[in-house]
Amino acid sequence: AQKITQTQPGMFVQEKEAVTLDCTYDTSDPSYGLFWYKQPSSGEMIFLIYQGSYDQQNATEGRYSLNFQKARKSANLVISASQLGDSAMYFCAMRGGGSEKLVFGKGTKLTVNP
Amino acid sequence: DTEVTQTPKHLVMGMTNKKSLKCEQHMGHRAMYWYKQKAKKPPELMFVYSYEKLSINESVPSRFSPECPNSSLLNLHLHALQPEDSALYLCASSHRDGANVLTFGAGSRLTVL
Repeated sequence: AQKITQTQPGMFVQEKEAVTLDCTYDTSDPSYGLFWYKQPSSGEMIFLIYQGSYDQQNATEGRYSLNFQKARKSANLVISASQLGDSAMYFCAMRGGGSEKLVFGKGTKLTVNP
Repeated sequence: DTEVTQTPKHLVMGMTNKKSLKCEQHMGHRAMYWYKQKAKKPPELMFVYSYEKLSINESVPSRFSPECPNSSLLNLHLHALQPEDSALYLCASSHRDGANVLTFGAGSRLTVL
């Protein structure tokens, strides 16, 4: 069974600063994928970034980067140069190799202050 | 604009009503998903259709009935729901290859009176 843990219910950051959202996972599958989604108050889940378990380099997508530490089973999301529009819920998710089931963590609510 | 379209955006129904939620995608994705999300909780998987066949049912009560008429459409038929079924229902689709990233719709917010 897969498990995703997000220990920060809420985070605050000043506009233009960087912020790290924590995510740890547990799985016995050697092959798995890790995802981060953003959910604004409107409700839509927006895909941000993906990291495969065999990827050698940390994933980056614009202002988003994933700090993947396989031995520690962590997949933290780093948002650089925060913007007011980054205020939202952020979910870490995982899928085991060959599985169609994407499992979500409890989420972290990020608030960006002007 | 989202590439997965869900209708209606809001639905209010009584416990004896029959209604349906609809989801449509035109990205050529071959897997489609229904998730249920209660307030301040993460999404929880309900059903997965892969190549138009039901591949996962997460022990969902029979008052929720999924249907996949073709590879672009996914319906969720609702009957005899309970107030605790009030939630945001999210549809998603994916290619089923590579990273298999799910693309979500904006959701249908259901209230059961």
